Amino acid sequence: GNSVTQMEGPVTLSEEAFLTINCTYTATGYPSLFWYVQYPGEGLQLLLKATKADDKGSNKGFEATYRKETTSFHLEKGSVQVSDSAVYFCALSPDDYKLSFGAGTTVTVRA
Amino acid sequence: GAVVSQHPSRVICKSGTSVKIECRSLDFQATTMFWYRQFPKKSLMLMATSNEGSKATYEQGVEKDKFLINHASLTLSTLTVTSAHPEDSSFYICSATPSGNTQYFGPGTRLTVL
Repeated sequence: GNSVTQMEGPVTLSEEAFLTINCTYTATGYPSLFWYVQYPGEGLQLLLKATKADDKGSNKGFEATYRKETTSFHLEKGSVQVSDSAVYFCALSPDDYKLSFGAGTTVTVRA
Repeated sequence: GAVVSQHPSRVICKSGTSVKIECRSLDFQATTMFWYRQFPKKSLMLMATSNEGSKATYEQGVEKDKFLINHASLTLSTLTVTSAHPEDSSFYICSATPSGNTQYFGPGTRLTVL
């Protein structure tokens, strides 16, 4: 079946630090891969996505590259801000319809 | 745009009672709505998919008689937890999609069953 494993949190960083959240997946075929972000008190929002191998999704300074050979989709940001404090979810979809999520990683950025 | 609301945000009920959770798409028509359940420090688990005007499709292991889903209009879906028990306590999240594949998520409902 399809599954997503992402690094456990919580992750605490100082402002302007480099952020990496690891995500690996198991799936048949070639799913689309996503990162969602959930800010306090809000619903999940799509942060970025990639639909095929070697695609790079990017948004708001975040990037993730679809690595088929390592079945990974790690999220990175070069310089985080306090406003990036949130819970980040890695997800996949085999059909661009149903989503399978990882457990979420809580990120806290200190000023 | 693309805002999804849920009501209530928190609910506490006694064991054996039923609880209804509403999911509304505020500025678009949602042909499909999804209901998820999230346990502490766990991923979101898809419970069911509902299309307007038709019966919901439940994921394996989800009791359809316990978790009643109604999608009577293009902007409203409801999840009713019937005869709730403490093990039903969880965070319930809905999402809606106007068409295609982008899901817009509600903020979630925290259910506590005493």
